[in-house]
Amino acid sequence: ETGVTQTPRHLVMGMTNKKSLKCEQHLGHNAMYWYKQSAKKPLELMFVYNFKEQTENNSVPSRFSPECPNSSHLFLHLHTLQPEDSALYLCASSTRTWDTGELFFGEGSRLTVL
Amino acid sequence: QQQVKQSPQSLIVQKGGISIINCAYENTAFDYFPWYQQFPGKGPALLIAIRPDVSEKKEGRFTISFNKSAKQFSLHIMDSQPGDSATYFCAASSGSARQLTFGSGTQLTVLP
Repeated sequence: ETGVTQTPRHLVMGMTNKKSLKCEQHLGHNAMYWYKQSAKKPLELMFVYNFKEQTENNSVPSRFSPECPNSSHLFLHLHTLQPEDSALYLCASSTRTWDTGELFFGEGSRLTVL
Repeated sequence: QQQVKQSPQSLIVQKGGISIINCAYENTAFDYFPWYQQFPGKGPALLIAIRPDVSEKKEGRFTISFNKSAKQFSLHIMDSQPGDSATYFCAASSGSARQLTFGSGTQLTVLP
């Protein structure tokens, strides 16, 4: 496996369900990110982890709960979501958060909330 | 202050033509301006990037033009090909990857 891998690729859930998105990077990076991508909108940064420590939470509702057990894995736990949370959720990694460098994105998890 | 405004929202170009996508910013602290390319079903991938100490950077058929005084930068795709059909995002940051601010994207379609 190479690059940034996200699972599942597609997820449909009801508003009362609990599910998790998983991201794994094989690039040896120390920073990982969750972005939300909605149609015709800029990518929205949700969470940032650097060396497993959360460094940023961009006013994301508590129904989204991130977890970073190590520098290679990142999870986004979802519970009691709203239909407006339907979007493509992208995971990304970079060498370190303070580098002005390249973000490497996964292919995303397409979430539909019914 | 943190916004990056991108236009047009969509663009249709004939094969062999020039595709031009524009971005404007307000934050004068931005010092890194990348462009990302996203194909359907894929995540964005870095295409080309520029820093404000140069006015132009070219990589193959892709060129970034940068106008510091106007706080604008643009992506030019020369000899556009159907394989270039994708969504293009401009972005800007002031010192770190975690501070990247993205534009809203341009969906480019190159007709054969």
